[in-house]
Amino acid sequence: DVKVTQSSRYLVKRTGEKVFLECVQDMDHENMFWYRQDPGLGLRLIYFSYDVKMKEKGDIPEGYSVSREKKERFSLILESASTNQTSMYLCASSTPGTGGNTIYFGEGSWLTVV
Amino acid sequence: DQQVKQNSPSLSVQEGRISILNCDYTNSMFDYFLWYKKYPAEGPTFLISISSIKDKNEDGRFTVFLNKSAKHLSLHIVPSQPGDSAVYFCAASLYNFNKFYFGSGTKLNVKP
Repeated sequence: DVKVTQSSRYLVKRTGEKVFLECVQDMDHENMFWYRQDPGLGLRLIYFSYDVKMKEKGDIPEGYSVSREKKERFSLILESASTNQTSMYLCASSTPGTGGNTIYFGEGSWLTVV
Repeated sequence: DQQVKQNSPSLSVQEGRISILNCDYTNSMFDYFLWYKKYPAEGPTFLISISSIKDKNEDGRFTVFLNKSAKHLSLHIVPSQPGDSAVYFCAASLYNFNKFYFGSGTKLNVKP
């Protein structure tokens, strides 16, 4: 069965802290993604990676960085957390486009920055 | 600018009736479309998809219709059940391209 696991479901961090969100997938997928979900704004792409050590900016990369040292693991890093980064963060993975690829999501990480 | 739009933030339907969720897109190059369902505090789960070579795809109570000329797709749920109450996202992608574009979601409430 398809599995994308996000290590932390609920986190509370202080402004200015460095935050790591970890994600692991067991489907041998090449592509991995980080989204954030906010009410009324839907799912917005932060970063994605199509191969180990490769990354591309999404629509809202400011304030974030990512790391992909192994194929199955994709980390999102908030260099200096701010209150406007309070959100639900979703990790996802997919295979490269073959005219029908599906994206699979983890359960999400709720981050509150105080 | 959003390339995939869901203009109705919410929809309320009586149990047993039909739910119709709508989605519009702007990029005519999109060739694969998906619908996801999301419960609170959970990640989105895949529901149904359709390729641009089709205009309809059915899976049980769920049917997706695609109108390429209007750049519009819709999800029909018949009959609607209270357990269908969730946020529904539509998404679009390009053949052999690795990005997915999501709408802002429609919150469906099915009343018993």
